[in-house]
Amino acid sequence: GQSLEQPSEVTAVEGAIVQINCTYQTSGFYGLSWYQQHDGGAPTFLSYNALDGLEETGRFSSFLSRSDSYGYLLLQELQMKDSASYFCAVRALDSSYKLIFGSGTRLLVRP
Amino acid sequence: KAGVTQTPRYLIKTRGQQVTLSCSPISGHRSVSWYQQTPGQGLQFLFEYFSETQRNKGNFPGRFSGRQFSNSRSEMNVSTLELGDSALYLCASSLVGLTRTMYNEQFFGPGTRLTVL
Repeated sequence: GQSLEQPSEVTAVEGAIVQINCTYQTSGFYGLSWYQQHDGGAPTFLSYNALDGLEETGRFSSFLSRSDSYGYLLLQELQMKDSASYFCAVRALDSSYKLIFGSGTRLLVRP
Repeated sequence: KAGVTQTPRYLIKTRGQQVTLSCSPISGHRSVSWYQQTPGQGLQFLFEYFSETQRNKGNFPGRFSGRQFSNSRSEMNVSTLELGDSALYLCASSLVGLTRTMYNEQFFGPGTRLTVL
């Protein structure tokens, strides 16, 4: 089976840096994605790591280490609008190729 | 370019009824995937359609079905509704099917909030 674990909630202060971790148990996958979802909104794609290492997109960075079965999303210079739920996701390596989502981390940014 | 649209946005049904949800993907996107989102189970993959064919299916009972039309629009049907089917149903489109690339980005619609009473 495949599962992804994330902390349920993280709180940080505006302007700070926060790291949202994602650990997974899977026999294989095609890469790690991150999605952001505001309350009442649709998930939006943030980043994708096909290979180990760090991918940077503006204030957001994502990291993957397959040997450690671990990845994270790093948000810098936090803004109030970053308050949302963040999901990691992997694409199954088996014939289903389905996108498997983590349970999500609710980020609360305080002034 | 218009985003993914889903209709209706909200729906209230009673147990035993059936429901059909509609999804219009971004123009040019041929892959449409459906997800169920609930507070307890998170985002669960239902199925994916590509070029009018179901390519992949998640672990849901046969009451959940779908189809895709030649214009890539997709519908999802749930028969014999149960209380546990109350959820946000999300549709996502992408440029290529899941089996064609590892790098595709999914564009989600706003979802249909289904309440089963």
